[in-house]
Amino acid sequence: NAGVTQTPKFRILKIGQSMTLQCAQDMNHNYMYWYRQDPGMGLKLIYYSVGAGITDKGEVPNGYNVSRSTTEDFPLRLELAAPSQTSVYFCASTQGTGSLGYSNQPQHFGDGTRLSIL
Amino acid sequence: GENVEQHPSTLSVQEGDSAVIKCTYSDSASNYFPWYKQELGKRPQLIIDIRSNVGEKKDQRIAVTLNKTAKHFSLHITETQPEDSAVYFCAARDAGGTSYGKLTFGQGTILTVHP
Repeated sequence: NAGVTQTPKFRILKIGQSMTLQCAQDMNHNYMYWYRQDPGMGLKLIYYSVGAGITDKGEVPNGYNVSRSTTEDFPLRLELAAPSQTSVYFCASTQGTGSLGYSNQPQHFGDGTRLSIL
Repeated sequence: GENVEQHPSTLSVQEGDSAVIKCTYSDSASNYFPWYKQELGKRPQLIIDIRSNVGEKKDQRIAVTLNKTAKHFSLHITETQPEDSAVYFCAARDAGGTSYGKLTFGQGTILTVHP
């Protein structure tokens, strides 16, 4: 009964380093999302995916990349870490209608990755 | 795109009082409105949601109302308890084609319930 699993829970990076935030879900959801949450703020969409091999940009995609090689996994890549990317990152998933593009199901969130860049 | 405004940003009440948080949205095509509760250091948890074909939904001490004409929806918590203290987020979603289930979130309301 894992739901959405994110690793690591915490990470400190130096400016210019790269890393991959992992996200996996076991609910066979086709839609997956990455959000960032800055202190005292709401969640902003970075990237999303509607199925294996299909990804698209959200509201704040700059500095990030994603891939979706399987239904279960949706990793988020930071190539050149910058202090502005210090945030809490949440992955979420839901069931949608695939290429038809809509969903009437709630999103399920992971526990988040707290990332600090110094 | 969709824009969601949430008020107030902070709300302080005494235990047993009611709390009301309001959100407005801009896209008339939005037809799904969830509310999430986020405790410190935890994930957002869905507490209630409403679809545009109903005007009100209730679950024990929590209710949500929707006014499609005015494009606003509200969260009502009655008989508040200290464990209701958290950050509450509203969100809106266009469930039509090409929206891909994306949510637009409000800025959050910090609710503090004093014993």
